[in-house]
Amino acid sequence: SYVLTQPPSVSLAPGNTARISCGGDDIGSKNVHWYQQKPGQAPVLVIFYDTDRPSAIPERFSGSNSGNTATLTVSRVEAGDEADYYCQVWDSYSDHPVFGGGTKLTVL
Amino acid sequence: QVQFVQSGAEVRRPGASVKISCETSGYTFTDYAIHWARQAPGQRLEWMGWINGGSSITKYSQKLQGRLSITTDTSATTSYMELSNLTSEDTAVYYCARGRIYFDPWGQGTLVTVSS
Repeated sequence: SYVLTQPPSVSLAPGNTARISCGGDDIGSKNVHWYQQKPGQAPVLVIFYDTDRPSAIPERFSGSNSGNTATLTVSRVEAGDEADYYCQVWDSYSDHPVFGGGTKLTVL
Repeated sequence: QVQFVQSGAEVRRPGASVKISCETSGYTFTDYAIHWARQAPGQRLEWMGWINGGSSITKYSQKLQGRLSITTDTSATTSYMELSNLTSEDTAVYYCARGRIYFDPWGQGTLVTVSS
């Protein structure tokens, strides 16, 4: 089964730029989707098809994908961005979705 | 506005079954698939299976095959997830979500606790 690897945590001060990585074998050939999950809440889609953003998501959220790494970038980080972030791809070999282990974003 | 509303928390004994509902609104039910996923305490999201809202064709994870059943009631625009022969390892928050390749929106989650 396809494996996605994320760093367990990322910490930074407000106003800085957070970059959360998602590693996978030739992930650049796949479409990557990102979810934000705040404590006690359901996941919310923040990026789909590598770079697209739902209309309700601020422009501060962006995505990129190339080679073996996809990246979620959160610019001008705010306290309200504190959450777990999960990447997800569709594994065409097994024909089901695969999630990364999640990255906890902490705003200091 | 698309909404997914799940049934409330459940407590079960080991060996029992649980059935959770996911009531949807705000879109054409038969145009989308519904997926089910779960999240054990402190763990990553785990995909469980999905059902085609139009055809009712299902696909389940190999891990849960044989214990999992996902169904729909098209007239009620509701999906159901039933998991049988529960163990403590099935204690988790269970989610439904709309989509085929990515998932949006998600239900609010249903906590299932398996304890003797």
